[in-house]
Amino acid sequence: DIVMTQSPDSLAVSLGERATINCKSSQSVLYSSNKKNYLAWYQQKAGQPPKLLISWASTRESGVPDRFSGSGSGTDFTLTISSLQAEDVAVYYCQQFYSTPRITFGQGTRLEIK
Amino acid sequence: QVQLVESGGGVVQPGGSLRLSCAASGFSFSTYSMQWVRQAPGKGLDWVAVITYDGSKTYYADSVKGRFTISRDNSKNTLHLQMTSLRPEDTAVYFCAKDKGYGSGTYYTDWGQGTLVTVSS
Repeated sequence: DIVMTQSPDSLAVSLGERATINCKSSQSVLYSSNKKNYLAWYQQKAGQPPKLLISWASTRESGVPDRFSGSGSGTDFTLTISSLQAEDVAVYYCQQFYSTPRITFGQGTRLEIK
Repeated sequence: QVQLVESGGGVVQPGGSLRLSCAASGFSFSTYSMQWVRQAPGKGLDWVAVITYDGSKTYYADSVKGRFTISRDNSKNTLHLQMTSLRPEDTAVYFCAKDKGYGSGTYYTDWGQGTLVTVSS
């Protein structure tokens, strides 16, 4: 299975500041034929199910604020929140779907307000 | 809008069985793959099983293969997960999730609220 490793495990950022979460895969999730990275990001707030934020490493889902952005390719990916808002407190997960059906998630990064 | 409502969770003894259901509405259920994902208390997300849009193919995580069975009834817009030989390590919130596509699995556009399964004597 492809192992997804996120860093850091937890992060505290001041309101209005930038938050950066990293995700590294144990093998490339870039599909050479279509040049797409098979990676998604989810946000999970306390007591709620996960919510899809970004697919294909950098495509923001409809309704997701533009302060959220995804970048990276191959094995190294980043989720960036450009200006942290109070409602962004959550656990964030990356997920690879390159090795479907054996989909795997990162261990999660807990984001808090400093 | 898409709605996924899980049911059937509860407390069961080790070695016991439980059947989870997920009632879907707000989309064309029969054209999407569906998944079960679980989350142990205080832990991360683990993929459990996927079923293709027509039910012709199913896939399982190694940890549940041979014990869990995913199925769907497209006439009733319902997804099921039959769980047998349950172990304490199966204790988790079980989410049903709608896949983006119709095949063996991609990413999850919508999730239910989850149902808690507790395996304990």
